[in-house]
Amino acid sequence: AQTVTQSQPEMSVQEAETVTLSCTYDTSESDYYLFWYKQPPSRQMILVIRQEAYKQQNATENRFSVNFQKAAKSFSLKISDSQLGDAAMYFCAYRSVYSGGGADGLTFGKGTHLIIQP
Amino acid sequence: DSGVTQTPKHLITATGQRVTLRCSPRSGDLSVYWYQQSLDQGLQFLIQYYNGEERAKGNILERFSAQQFPDLHSELNLSSLELGDSALYFCASSVGGGSPYEQYFGPGTRLTVT
Repeated sequence: AQTVTQSQPEMSVQEAETVTLSCTYDTSESDYYLFWYKQPPSRQMILVIRQEAYKQQNATENRFSVNFQKAAKSFSLKISDSQLGDAAMYFCAYRSVYSGGGADGLTFGKGTHLIIQP
Repeated sequence: DSGVTQTPKHLITATGQRVTLRCSPRSGDLSVYWYQQSLDQGLQFLIQYYNGEERAKGNILERFSAQQFPDLHSELNLSSLELGDSALYFCASSVGGGSPYEQYFGPGTRLTVT
């Protein structure tokens, strides 16, 4: 079974600064998807960014980018120019490319609470 | 707004009772997933349905069951409720039943068992 670990329960950053959230995972599969989800106080789960394991290029979405290190099984999220609206819980998630047997569900880490200091 | 709707938003019930949570997927989505978010267990995948058929099972208890109806809405039934079942239950939907498809999450149903 796959596991996802987020070792930072809480992170704090000044507004307009850059912050990096860490995520490591364990899998024996060679192909998979990785995600970062944001959960603001409203509790809505919002997809921030997605990375296919077969792609070497790191995904980028505006101020959000990832550092995907497949060999190290590491998948960190960098938020540039942090804004007050970025304050939320951030979850790293894994999904297998193989269907069936529970493989379609997302496996989540415990989350990192991101605080933005004005 | 993801287009996924869940009812009710909040539910308070007593131990030993049974409740039903409802989910309507986005228009056109055939796959529905149920997740549980609790303080103890974090976010856990429970079960997936695709076009009316059970597709995958995660950490779903035997006291819990789900189904997807011909109109593609889904219900999660929780019975013999325990205090530890108090959690936020999310439904998510996707177009297909396999991994390339993004899952869109509903707003969740907050269940409190007293």
